[in-house]
Amino acid sequence: EAGVAQSPRYKIIEKRQSVAFWCNPISGHATLYWYQQILGQGPKLLIQFQNNGVVDDSQLPKDRFSAERLKGVDSTLKIQPAKLEDSAVYLCASSYNKLGQNTEAFFGQGTRLTVV
Amino acid sequence: GQQLNQSPQSMFIQEGEDVSMNCTSSSIFNTWLWYKQEPGEGPVLLIALYKAGELTSNGRLTAQFGITRKDSFLNISASIPSDVGIYFCAGLNAGNNRKLIWGLGTSLAVNP
Repeated sequence: EAGVAQSPRYKIIEKRQSVAFWCNPISGHATLYWYQQILGQGPKLLIQFQNNGVVDDSQLPKDRFSAERLKGVDSTLKIQPAKLEDSAVYLCASSYNKLGQNTEAFFGQGTRLTVV
Repeated sequence: GQQLNQSPQSMFIQEGEDVSMNCTSSSIFNTWLWYKQEPGEGPVLLIALYKAGELTSNGRLTAQFGITRKDSFLNISASIPSDVGIYFCAGLNAGNNRKLIWGLGTSLAVNP
């Protein structure tokens, strides 16, 4: 079974530029998560989708971050404009979770973003 | 947001030693998950626990769901150098079943 795929693996941009990350979850997984992980900390949930609907985006900085999962499969996370403090690893995860309850989440390798 | 209390924050041990780490919460959880994260990689699920008192093993790893439903521990027996990494606990609060709550991680270093 293929795992969660993310791209790119690394990205370096200047502040005020925009950037987009892509995630393809495990086939059949209804729930998709985007996490931000700052060095030395645990993952922080940015947004959670159940199919193509948003379940939780309470910690997403909506003035600059946006995410979509139009067909209920793959997803993109965008930052526009980026700030220095956005430098982090952005992790995508998915879980089977057909009933609106969390089950085990499986993670991709992440995208390491450096904003200079 | 809510976080789990995970301890110890870091450990430096000799190869062959056993390791124990734990997570506690002020509220009741109905799922506990233990992940390992290596540098440059995403977290990898090690063990999932769903019932109070449940004891589950995965090779040299053993985890238990505390009977109070407010804690969990992870043991690693006979540590080896490849056990190095950061171990995270995560759980589902019984009152908010849809959101994983994370610990801050235990960083493990193993001296060969």
